[in-house]
Amino acid sequence: GAGVSQSPSNKVTEKGKDVELRCDPISGHTALYWYRQSLGQGLEFLIYFQGNSAPDKSGLPSDRFSAERTGGSVSTLTIQRTQQEDSAVYLCASRRQGSSTDTQYFGPGTRLTVL
Amino acid sequence: TQLLEQSPQFLSIQEGENLTVYCNSSSVFSSLQWYRQEPGEGPVLLVTVVTGGEVKKLKRLTFQFGDARKDSSLHITAAQPGDTGLYLCAGDETGAGSYQLTFGKGTKLSVIP
Repeated sequence: GAGVSQSPSNKVTEKGKDVELRCDPISGHTALYWYRQSLGQGLEFLIYFQGNSAPDKSGLPSDRFSAERTGGSVSTLTIQRTQQEDSAVYLCASRRQGSSTDTQYFGPGTRLTVL
Repeated sequence: TQLLEQSPQFLSIQEGENLTVYCNSSSVFSSLQWYRQEPGEGPVLLVTVVTGGEVKKLKRLTFQFGDARKDSSLHITAAQPGDTGLYLCAGDETGAGSYQLTFGKGTKLSVIP
């Protein structure tokens, strides 16, 4: 597709369950980011992938959060043993390269609700 | 962690009015970006400002980067209902080669017809 796509668009889960969120970046973009947007808050950086380099995981809030990017393309964000405070919109973005001069293109997000 | 403070948090105005949104920090940013986000969608980049004192205009939108590169403003002239949305500023923390952006909490704008 022409833009960044994410699935599912909405996810409702019960506390304690694991969830997987998927991001398909724009083809050819080497940089991929995950952010979390909570109600009334700005975008919180979670993790960054750049090519084949080791990802920057410095934004992950706990060890229940993990992400992988297979083949330099699709990325999956996994949240284990979900908690109510994990409820938020999870946004994925990709950039042609990792430079600040390249535009970040965002997907529509996955709205996660933990009951 | 560097912070970006946006004000006002909420703004509701009549069509045709002018408005200004502010983005302030105590830290220096090498560049600053403004995004607009509509419900159910991701943020969309409006502009990037990189030089202290820089002013950029996009139709009815005017963006300014402070001389010290610590603050920015977005001014909308003759607001239209289509301008409704969440406006986010984001700063590039560490300059050339940086890959992380620090986002403000946003200004939610409603333009009433």
